[in-house]
Amino acid sequence: ILNVEQSPQSLHVQEGDSTNFTCSFPSSNFYALHWYRWETAKSPEALFVMTLNGDEKKKGRISATLNTKEGYSYLYIKGSQPEDSATYLCAFKGAQKLVFGQGTRLTINP
Amino acid sequence: EAGVAQSPRYKIIEKRQSVAFWCNPISGHATLYWYQQILGQGPKLLIQFQNNGVVDDSQLPKDRFSAERLKGVDSTLKIQPAKLEDSAVYLCASSLEGVTGELFFGEGSRLTVL
Repeated sequence: ILNVEQSPQSLHVQEGDSTNFTCSFPSSNFYALHWYRWETAKSPEALFVMTLNGDEKKKGRISATLNTKEGYSYLYIKGSQPEDSATYLCAFKGAQKLVFGQGTRLTINP
Repeated sequence: EAGVAQSPRYKIIEKRQSVAFWCNPISGHATLYWYQQILGQGPKLLIQFQNNGVVDDSQLPKDRFSAERLKGVDSTLKIQPAKLEDSAVYLCASSLEGVTGELFFGEGSRLTVL
């Protein structure tokens, strides 16, 4: 059974602070790593799909890095804003299905 | 471009009753997925369709869950009879090309089984 772990499970951050969290996945049979943001009462929305070791992607204040050899990805949020409050899901695509982690629930305190 | 449509958004039923969820993917998306997300856990794939054929249903509890995708477009997921542990959000998603491409999700159907 594939194990995709996200840490921490939840996080409270002060508005304006920067934060980061981790997704750990198997280091073999890597095809892709996805990051999604899921705001309450909305649909999960793709942030990044990463396929190459060493890849770094950025969208506004959010960026992600990927290390397929050691099996981890970091998501960074710079200067957190209240609208960043959401659950952040990573998903690992190996030889078979896309497997999701349990998510990191981020709350931004004004 | 219209997104993935799901209905109903919320459903409350008693155990042993049946329920059906409907999903209409983004036009042109060949791959359709149903995920079950139980509180505190990550989404778990129940079934994946490529056009109207099943690619993966290994985690679908086939004694009570069934799904179909008619004409390779919209899809229905049915639970009969429901159990308490089926309380979850059922997410439908679609993609253009396998899962190396991003998934586009609907807003989900939240099921409560009493």
